Amino acid sequence: NAGVTQTPKFRILKIGQSMTLQCAQDMNHNYMYWYRQDPGMGLKLIYYSVGAGITDKGEVPNGYNVSRSTTEDFPLRLELAAPSQTSVYFCASRQEGNEQFFGPGTRLTVL
Amino acid sequence: EDQVTQSPEALRLQEGESSSLNCSYTVSGLRGLFWYRQDPGKGPEFLFTLYSAGEEKEKERLKATLTKKESFLHITAPKPEDSATYLCAVRRNTGFQKLVFGTGTRLLVSP
Repeated sequence: NAGVTQTPKFRILKIGQSMTLQCAQDMNHNYMYWYRQDPGMGLKLIYYSVGAGITDKGEVPNGYNVSRSTTEDFPLRLELAAPSQTSVYFCASRQEGNEQFFGPGTRLTVL
Repeated sequence: EDQVTQSPEALRLQEGESSSLNCSYTVSGLRGLFWYRQDPGKGPEFLFTLYSAGEEKEKERLKATLTKKESFLHITAPKPEDSATYLCAVRRNTGFQKLVFGTGTRLLVSP
């Protein structure tokens, strides 16, 4: 199993551009999560999903959107990128009752 | 409001010098306290889950313990490869596993 994979690893965006961060897992996990990690701050939950077609907001959803059309994929969409969205983004997944498994992260810089 | 505080922020040890990391928490209805290890440029890697006061878990040189207010990660005779950031997170008693993370302790073990 590849586990949780994320693409791209790095990206630089200009203010106002849009992009999609990809996340996929091959463990058949129902639950998937998007976090952002800023220096000196804990991981903050952006959005989560409990299964295909079901998503909900986390602590810091503004400026982001998600979709979950399959069990495997959970892309995160940034519309109109802003410098405040410069961060490292982590995707995670889990099965019922178990711990979360994290991907390797996407480092995003908005200039 | 759920809160997780980790101390110290950073810790430097000599190889073989045992120590402990602290995670203090306030959460209504704890449904698990999680320890993760994060290496630079990588996603968090799961270490332990603790569910009730008095519970202990061990893995190699690491031992995690839990009380009603805090958790400790004891590191016995650490090696340089134990250098990493250690993250603590709590899950509250809700329908979905929303983790609240601390800001982590950066551990550096010198040879």
